[in-house]
Amino acid sequence: GAVVSQHPSWVICKSGTSVKIECRSLDFQATTMFWYRQFPKQSLMLMATSNEGSKATYEQGVEKDKFLINHASLTLSTLTVTSAHPEDSSFYICSARDNIQSTQYFGPGTRLLVL
Amino acid sequence: AQSVTQLGSHVSVSEGALVLLRCNYSSSVPPYLFWYVQYPNQGLQLLLKYTTGATLVKGINGFEAEFKKSETSFHLTKPSAHMSDAAEYFCAVSDITGNQFYFGTGTSLTVIP
Repeated sequence: GAVVSQHPSWVICKSGTSVKIECRSLDFQATTMFWYRQFPKQSLMLMATSNEGSKATYEQGVEKDKFLINHASLTLSTLTVTSAHPEDSSFYICSARDNIQSTQYFGPGTRLLVL
Repeated sequence: AQSVTQLGSHVSVSEGALVLLRCNYSSSVPPYLFWYVQYPNQGLQLLLKYTTGATLVKGINGFEAEFKKSETSFHLTKPSAHMSDAAEYFCAVSDITGNQFYFGTGTSLTVIP
């Protein structure tokens, strides 16, 4: 149980285009999901907290207009990187919080490369 | 505020040797504690967690960790390292809601054959 999926796992796009990443909790409902960014050889950096049916809460320094988050259902949150630039290239990981166990379960990550 | 310190960004052990990865935390209230493992180009997999109850927690793949409140530690151990244990390990702390996770900087474990 407690499986979180992400799609796509790999994406390459041209500079200026937008990319959508999906995060799904497959066998539990998640009121709250999280989006992280990870740079090579570093720990995870929390970008935003996504709450079902309401606006996401962004961490300081994260541009909300650039990283659009939608959490329309209890099993799906999406992160859209708008007008992507090469500096947005990174490994993006989502997690979903199990409401009962207060534990975050992580997706397998999405590697974004912007050319 | 909570914080997590993982001593040693790189740890090397011989195959079959004891694995010890250190984690200390600072928290004003009893936290929930977690160890996650990350293999290259993958997400984080939960190894084990402590919330309440028994302070010695057993996880997957033969790992265990002990919550020591007096030392504010949650070190991860495994009696005998296997080649497949080579990965990045993250210690994390959260409050009881699980909404705010604080991660350590990670420890890269290398297993030498």
